[in-house]
This record gives sequence, structure tokens and C-alpha cells, in this order.
Amino acid sequence: AQSVAQPEDQVNVAEGNPLTVKCTYSVSGNPYLFWYVQYPNRGLQFLLKYITGDNLVKGSYGFEAEFNKSQTSFHLKKPSALVSDSALYFCAVRAGNNDMRFGAGTRLTVKP
Amino acid sequence: DTGVSQNPRHKITKRGQNVTFRCDPISEHNRLYWYRQTLGQGPEFLTYFQNEAQLEKSRLLSDRFSAERPKGSFSTLEIQRTEQGDSAMYLCASSLATSYGYTFGSGTRLTVV
Repeated sequence: AQSVAQPEDQVNVAEGNPLTVKCTYSVSGNPYLFWYVQYPNRGLQFLLKYITGDNLVKGSYGFEAEFNKSQTSFHLKKPSALVSDSALYFCAVRAGNNDMRFGAGTRLTVKP
Repeated sequence: DTGVSQNPRHKITKRGQNVTFRCDPISEHNRLYWYRQTLGQGPEFLTYFQNEAQLEKSRLLSDRFSAERPKGSFSTLEIQRTEQGDSAMYLCASSLATSYGYTFGSGTRLTVV
């Protein structure tokens, strides 16, 4: 069975500071990993994915994530946070042809 | 067709009533997924279709829930005899069978009173 853990319910950072949102996964076989963002009363918006290749993947709005196989992690990062980045962030995993499984989410708050 | 469309956006219903939601996927996508998201939680998988065939159902999908995709295009999710615990955001997503990621709709928020 595949699963995702997001150990932090909430992350607070100051605008302009770097941010990290953590994600670890458990899966049999090679993982496909994703980050989505959700704004209030909206659906999920795709940020980036890791399928294969370079462990550092770059996505939308300046976000990036690093796949670490030995630590089974896929942390989301951004060098300089914006107030508009404040939202709910979900990490997700697929294995093979299975459906996508999501973590419980991390609420990011960026303060001016 | 620029995305996944879900209707209605919001639905308030009395306990015991039946409700039906509709999802229109991206037209060339042959896979369609339904998820449920309760407050403070991540989306939970309910079921998915490849074309008109329902290939997987979660144990979360009780006998009161039924989903259809009759012509392999739009899908409906029906909840019979709604309960307060059914209150949630119901998300639909679509993809090509050959692609890895999904495109999500904006969801239908159900409130059972």
C-alpha cells in the first residue's frame, strides 16, 4: 500500500525567507510524487511532479522539490516566500498504475 | 474545454435526501477520479473510471454511494439517504491513462443539515 506523511500541520515563515514543507512517502516500487496547492474553497492546483531523472524538480510559481530515495522524502521548497504563497499544500504519491494518495496537508502562512 | 468542471459548486441538503453531483472531465482524458475531502484532511480516494468502466472502488464508498460514467465522458456521483457525516468537498479529477498527474476540478461542497 502507498501512503504519504506530512509531519507538520502548519508552517509559518516571514516574507522573503526560504520555506520548506516536508513530505515522506511509503510505496512498493518506484514512486511518482506530486505537490498540489489548494486555496480556500477551490480544487487542487498542480505545482510539480517527480517521475524519474533529476532528483531536483522545478515547478510553478518558483517552487521546487527534491526527491531523496534513501530518506523516502520529497520536500517542497522555495528560496523566497511571498504572502500570496499562503495556502494548503498537499503531497501525493502514486505507484505504477495505482490511484493517487494524498497526505493530510500542511497549511503554509507567510507573514509580511 | 479548459479544465475539469464540477456542478453544483455548493449543495445544502437535509439528512435523508438524495443528492447527485456531476463532473465533466477534460474531453480527451479517458480516466476520471472521485475524491472526498473533509475539513483539515487530504483528499481520500473514492473511485475511478477508465472510459465507462469503473475499475476501482474504495471501501469508503458505502452502499449509499454510486458513481457512473455512462458514455465515458461526464460522470455522476449519487449519495442516497445522506447523513451528516457525508458533509465534505467532493473532488473530481481526470487524466490520460498514459499520464502521471491529474487535473482537478474546483469541487462540490456538500453540507448535510
